[in-house]
Amino acid sequence: GQNIDQPTEMTATEGAIVQINCTYQTSGFNGLFWYQQHAGEAPTFLSYNVLDGLEEKGRFSSFLSRSKGYSYLLLKELQMKDSASYLCAVKDSNYQLIWGAGTKLIIKP
Amino acid sequence: GAVVSQHPSRVICKSGTSVKIECRSLDFQATTMFWYRQFPKKSLMLMATSNEGSKATYEQGVEKDKFLINHASLTLSTLTVTSAHPEDSSFYICSATTLAGGGDTQYFGPGTRLTVL
Repeated sequence: GQNIDQPTEMTATEGAIVQINCTYQTSGFNGLFWYQQHAGEAPTFLSYNVLDGLEEKGRFSSFLSRSKGYSYLLLKELQMKDSASYLCAVKDSNYQLIWGAGTKLIIKP
Repeated sequence: GAVVSQHPSRVICKSGTSVKIECRSLDFQATTMFWYRQFPKKSLMLMATSNEGSKATYEQGVEKDKFLINHASLTLSTLTVTSAHPEDSSFYICSATTLAGGGDTQYFGPGTRLTVL
């Protein structure tokens, strides 16, 4: 079967750095996406990785290792507004998007 | 760019009525739109994939006659929940794809919260 694993919940301190991991087992791979979703709102696109390595976008970076079936989202200089759920999604060989259950990130002052 | 709107944002209806939700891509043409539902504290569940000018492809377990999807143009798709019941209460979200930005990224509408009394 196809599976995306990410931690259910994480807690971090304002101003700190947090890394949210995502591991996947899918039939084929055509890219990995990270989305941010605030409570009661729709997801917003954060990043896309299709090649191995690190993609940096301001305070957010995303890393991919296809051989390990692994990605992480790194958030630096955490702000209270970063409290949200972070969804990892993988596009499989049929170009279907397989979603993880999301990681709820709680930021404390 | 890549803005998707959804209307209404919130709807409350009586059991047995039908509700139509619109999804529009405002600044791009979307050949494919997706409809999701999401229960509280759960991940997104894909209901159907909608291609302009053709019938929607429904995921297993999603009733076609219950959730009618019409993709009338490259910028508009509608989801109609027919004869809604309380168990249909959920957060419905649409998304649309554009090749801009690479990777066939899905951009999401703001969602519609449906409450069936």
